[in-house]
Amino acid sequence: QSALTQPRSVSGSPGQSVTISCTGTSSDVGGYNYVSWYQQHPGKAPKLMIYDVSKRPSGVPDRFSGSKSGNTASLTISGLQAEDEADYYCCSYAGSYTSYVVFGGGTKLTVL
Amino acid sequence: QVQLVQSGAEVKKPGASVKVSCKASGYTFTSYAMHWVRQAPGQRLEWMGWINAGNGNTKYSQKFQGRVTITRDTSASTAYMELSSLRSEDTAVYYCARARSSIAALPDMDVWGKGTTVTVSS
Repeated sequence: QSALTQPRSVSGSPGQSVTISCTGTSSDVGGYNYVSWYQQHPGKAPKLMIYDVSKRPSGVPDRFSGSKSGNTASLTISGLQAEDEADYYCCSYAGSYTSYVVFGGGTKLTVL
Repeated sequence: QVQLVQSGAEVKKPGASVKVSCKASGYTFTSYAMHWVRQAPGQRLEWMGWINAGNGNTKYSQKFQGRVTITRDTSASTAYMELSSLRSEDTAVYYCARARSSIAALPDMDVWGKGTTVTVSS
C-alpha cells in the first residue's frame, strides 16, 4: 500500500490561509469518507485535528477545516498562527483488501 | 483524564522481539479500539495494526503481517504490540492511539500515547 501524496512543505504568513492536499486513489481517499488529519510538533505525539473528512474533535479551533473531492482530500487552516507551524499528516481508511489504514508522507507547515 | 501510558525505551539486537505496552486510563477500555503506529527517525507515520479492545478482534498492515501481534489485557486496561524478527529498519518511535470507532479500523485516533523508542542495533 503506497503512502498518500502530500506536498513536502507549505508556508504562509500569520493571518493568511493555507491548504494542504492529500491525494490517494479510489481504493482509499476516494472510496471512503474516512479521512483524518494529524498535527505533529517536533518530538511530540500526533494530535487529531480532523476526522471523517470534515469533523473537528472537541477543542480543535474552527480555523481548521477539512474537505474532499474525488481522490483528493484537503486541510485548510485559516487565520494562521505561529503555533500552527508543525508537520501535518493525512490518513485514510483503505478497506479490508489492502492494509486498512494508510498515512500520507507528511507536510511541513512554516509560518513566515 | 483520558491518557495512554506507554512502556519505556527498548534496545534490541537484530532478530530479537520487542513487546510494547500501552496502559489506558480515564475511560472504559473495552468500549474503544486501539491503533499502533510507528515513526522511524525523520520519516512519516506508518500504521501497523488495530485491536478492538472489547472482543480482541485484530487487523494488521500487510507490511507487518506475520511479524506483529497486538493483544490486550482487559483486566489491566492495557494493549500490547509485539514485533518479532527485528531489523535495523525497525528502529522507530512506536505509538498507541485510541480509536474513536471500535467497529472497524477507522483512522480516527483521538488520544495518543507519548511513544516508545525502540532501537535495533547489534
